[in-house]
Amino acid sequence: KNEVEQSPQNLTAQEGEFITINCSYSVGISALHWLQQHPGGGIVSLFMLSSGKKKHGRLIATINIQEKHSSLHITASHPRDSAVYICAVRNNNNNDMRFGAGTRLTVKP
Amino acid sequence: DGGITQSPKYLFRKEGQNVTLSCEQNLNHDAMYWYRQDPGQGLRLIYYSQIVNDFQKGDIAEGYSVSREKKESFPLTVTSAQKNPTAFYLCASSRTTGGYLYNEQFFGPGTRLTVL
Repeated sequence: KNEVEQSPQNLTAQEGEFITINCSYSVGISALHWLQQHPGGGIVSLFMLSSGKKKHGRLIATINIQEKHSSLHITASHPRDSAVYICAVRNNNNNDMRFGAGTRLTVKP
Repeated sequence: DGGITQSPKYLFRKEGQNVTLSCEQNLNHDAMYWYRQDPGQGLRLIYYSQIVNDFQKGDIAEGYSVSREKKESFPLTVTSAQKNPTAFYLCASSRTTGGYLYNEQFFGPGTRLTVL
């Protein structure tokens, strides 16, 4: 079993829909990251969080440490949000980063 | 502008040849990393370096080699010993690997290597 599991693997939405991507992990962590990978391959960091909730524009990330679960929400989705969203965790024992396989989001106009 | 550059973006090599992927950063970061990305899998760590002239093996170091002669540069060589080298390779850097500073990693644009 992977240490970081994301769901769904693929997601197609219509423009304007509310999107939720989920991430579950099995190790103790010091931080969780949400990353965005565009079709060209480059990766940008969206959020880094260790508790609670963070918001940036139309993106919201939440984490429940007790349940070892995080969600990434996109409100009023737009075709430019189409990308692969990757969840990554930093193991609090050895400081290693572990990455989920990613969720491929396609937003149709 | 500060950032990480990787070159080339696409690379084709014949089986049995060594190939070196470039990674340069001007963020003044101490730590640098090489990851491999395969379809349907999460990024896997190949090698990382916390300081000049020092580097450590990651989860899948076999068939790869690195050097860290300068703070700004962390080239990765894919050797002929790597059994399945075709993949997307990502370089990243951060201020430090350890401590309580949950340091954010900044990624380069990646190099797609295809071995024919």
